[in-house]
Amino acid sequence: NAGVTQTPKFQVLKTGQSMTLQCAQDMNHNSMYWYRQDPGMGLRLIYYSASEGTTDKGEVPNGYNVSRLNKREFSLRLESAAPSQTSVYFCASSTGQGNTIYFGEGSWLTVV
Amino acid sequence: QKEVEQNSGPLSVPEGAIASLNCTYSDRGSQSFFWYRQYSGKSPELIMSIYSNGDKEDGRFTAQLNKASQYVSLLIRDSQPSDSATYLCAVNSDRGSTLGRLYFGRGTQLTVWP
Repeated sequence: NAGVTQTPKFQVLKTGQSMTLQCAQDMNHNSMYWYRQDPGMGLRLIYYSASEGTTDKGEVPNGYNVSRLNKREFSLRLESAAPSQTSVYFCASSTGQGNTIYFGEGSWLTVV
Repeated sequence: QKEVEQNSGPLSVPEGAIASLNCTYSDRGSQSFFWYRQYSGKSPELIMSIYSNGDKEDGRFTAQLNKASQYVSLLIRDSQPSDSATYLCAVNSDRGSTLGRLYFGRGTQLTVWP
């Protein structure tokens, strides 16, 4: 049982480049999330999707877009990467309604 | 702004001691509370969830919730070096929502020394 799978695990981008982080879950969860984690800042929510077909902004959505492709997949796109987006990105999923969130292994992104 | 505050740490305890981790939250309507453990370079993993006032025990871990004081804590008994990690407190504060959206504290780094 893979749980939540993210790709790529590591990526280096140049300022202004674009990229998409992919996430898939095999737990039949309704809700999916993208967080970023920076030293001293904890986990901050970028975007979330309560169910297939819906997405909403979290605490730090600027510079990002998301797509809930189907129930399993939720991608995060950086249209024009900036050094401030250097971070560790975690995808997560849950059944919703206050239940436990399960995290993927993380994607380490460096923008130079 | 919904806030989750954790004692800043780092916290250092000897092997076999009790480690006490604390968390306060700002939204009185919060319903669900979680403790995650995160090893360096790894993703957060759930240790405990608690929904009602009082204590909940799971092996060496005890979560304590006091909604009146807006306080949740995690006790680790018989601490082991393998417990050395960052502990994240998380709170679900979206009343009536089906999102399960969590707000996280910044984490407390725990070191257990042999």
